[in-house]
Amino acid sequence: AQSVAQPEDQVNVAEGNPLTVKCTYSVSGNPYLFWYVQYPNRGLQFLLKYITGDNLVKGSYGFEAEFNKSQTSFHLKKPSALVSDSALYFCAVMGYNFNKFYFGSGTKLNVKP
Amino acid sequence: EADIYQTPRYLVIGTGKKITLECSQTMGHDKMYWYQQDPGMELHLIHYSYGVNSTEKGDLSSESTVSRIRTEHFPLTLESARPSHTSQYLCASSDDNGYTFGSGTRLTVV
Repeated sequence: AQSVAQPEDQVNVAEGNPLTVKCTYSVSGNPYLFWYVQYPNRGLQFLLKYITGDNLVKGSYGFEAEFNKSQTSFHLKKPSALVSDSALYFCAVMGYNFNKFYFGSGTKLNVKP
Repeated sequence: EADIYQTPRYLVIGTGKKITLECSQTMGHDKMYWYQQDPGMELHLIHYSYGVNSTEKGDLSSESTVSRIRTEHFPLTLESARPSHTSQYLCASSDDNGYTFGSGTRLTVV
């Protein structure tokens, strides 16, 4: 069965500090992994994805994620957080036959000035 | 500009009423989805479609129905709304590059 887990409901970080939002996955076969961000009262926005290739994936707004097969993780990272990065972040995996999309429970990121 | 549109943005409706949530996309995506989301919680897939005349139920049991008569249009209908249907409903479409989501419809059934 495909699933993702985001172990932290909330992450607090000071502006300018590096941030990490954690995600672990469980899939049958090769994982297709995504990160989405949701700002208040707006739709989900695609940040980045891992399909194949380099384990370090770069995405929008300076975010990147590292795919670690041995640890079955796909943590979202940013070297220097901005207050405007405060939002809800969802990790997701696409089903092995591409017909379903499984989301984690979301992590609320709070970046304080 | 390619995008996905949902209407209405907010809806308050009485129990027993029939409602249709609209979703349209201009990207020509074959795959479209409806998700149910409660505030701050994960999305749950309730319906999806691979293309015209293709619809399937998702992971979350839902009393809603969908139709896909045109590629760009994927409406969701509740024949008889109940308070348990109160939630945020997100429509999405996808291609090989990823997913695009609408802004959602916040439905409240009173």
